[in-house]
Order: sequence, then structure tokens, then C-alpha cells
Amino acid sequence: KAGVTQTPRYLIKTRGQQVTLSCSPISGHRSVSWYQQTPGQGLQFLFEYFSETQRNKGNFPGRFSGRQFSNSRSEMNVSTLELGDSALYLCASSLEAGVGLRYTFGSGTRLTVV
Amino acid sequence: KQEVTQIPAALSVPEGENLVLNCSFTDSAIYNLQWFRQDPGKGLTSLLLIQSSQREQTSGRLNASLDKSSGRSTLYIAASQPGDSATYLCAVKETSGSRLTFGEGTQLTVNP
Repeated sequence: KAGVTQTPRYLIKTRGQQVTLSCSPISGHRSVSWYQQTPGQGLQFLFEYFSETQRNKGNFPGRFSGRQFSNSRSEMNVSTLELGDSALYLCASSLEAGVGLRYTFGSGTRLTVV
Repeated sequence: KQEVTQIPAALSVPEGENLVLNCSFTDSAIYNLQWFRQDPGKGLTSLLLIQSSQREQTSGRLNASLDKSSGRSTLYIAASQPGDSATYLCAVKETSGSRLTFGEGTQLTVNP
């Protein structure tokens, strides 16, 4: 059974550009969550999607957005990149949203903004 | 607002030692607590999941306990090995909402 797949693994972008990250959940999982990990702030919740609907959102500016497709794959987009957006972005999938099931994480996308 | 704290921030032990990692949370209205392992530059690997109604979970050399009323969880690692070297994170899922709130992690080094 394939795990959670995130692409690309590494990205280098320039300030002001935009970026799109992709996450393919485990087959059959309908919930995808996104987290940002930085040395200073640790792991912080960005948002969660379930059945193509955003169910929950963290305290991030509107430059961070996401969507989920009918096959449960999810993308997150960051516009007008800032240096502080440099981080490891992790996505996690689960069978359902809002239920106490195990979350499985991908290997992450390392974004560097220069 | 839920806050999760992990103590110690870093730990270095000789191979073979038994050790305990601590996690505390401020709001006891949790749905479950999950322990993860993270290797440098990598994603998170789930180790143990404890539902709020459970007191402990075991997997191999790992044992996690949960005391919801006091807002504490411990991860016990028996007979540590160099391959256990990693950062260990605990995360709580509250009864409302679907987000996980993470601690800052304990960076464990097991020396051969």
C-alpha cells in the first residue's frame, strides 16, 4: 500500500514568486491536512480538506491556500513568497476528517525562498 | 488554546539504556495523543496512538502512557539503540476540530 506522496521534494523560489505543492494521500483516504514546520515555530497546522471541502484552517495569511480534487489529491499554493515561508511543508492523510484515526504523514516538501 | 510541551528538548544516552520522554498538554479535552518520530530532513513516522479512553499503548520496545486528567503522556523506550536516534514529537488531537497540536520535540541521540 503506497504511502502519502508529496511532490516535489525540494524547491527553491525567489521572493515574490508563487509556488504549488502537491500531496497524494493513501488510497482510500479522503482527508488531507497540511502543516508547516520551521525551526522557530515547530509544526503548525495550515488547513484540512475532506471531500474537496476545506474543513478547518489555521492562523496563516490568505497567501496560503489549498484545494482538494475529486481523487482526494490536494495542492497547496503560496503566493507572493516571503523569506519566512522557507520551511518543510508536510501533508498528512486520514480516512476521515474529525475522527480520532491515525494520521499518516508524507516525507514533505522542503521550500527555500531566496 | 492548547499548548503542548516536551521535556527534555534534547537527550543523549549510551546504547542499551532505558529512557523516558515527557509530553504535557494544557487542555485535557483531547480525542487522542500520537507519538511520532522524525529523522533529519524527513517526514513524520507514527509510532503510537493512544485514544483518550486508553491508558497506554505498546509496540515492541516502545510504551506510551496517557494521563488525561493531569495532561501528561510519557514515551518509554527500552534498551535504546543507535537507530533510535531521531526527534520524537507528541501531538494531541482535541475533541473539537481536526488539527493536531504538536510539541517542540525531544531530540534523542543514542551513542554506541
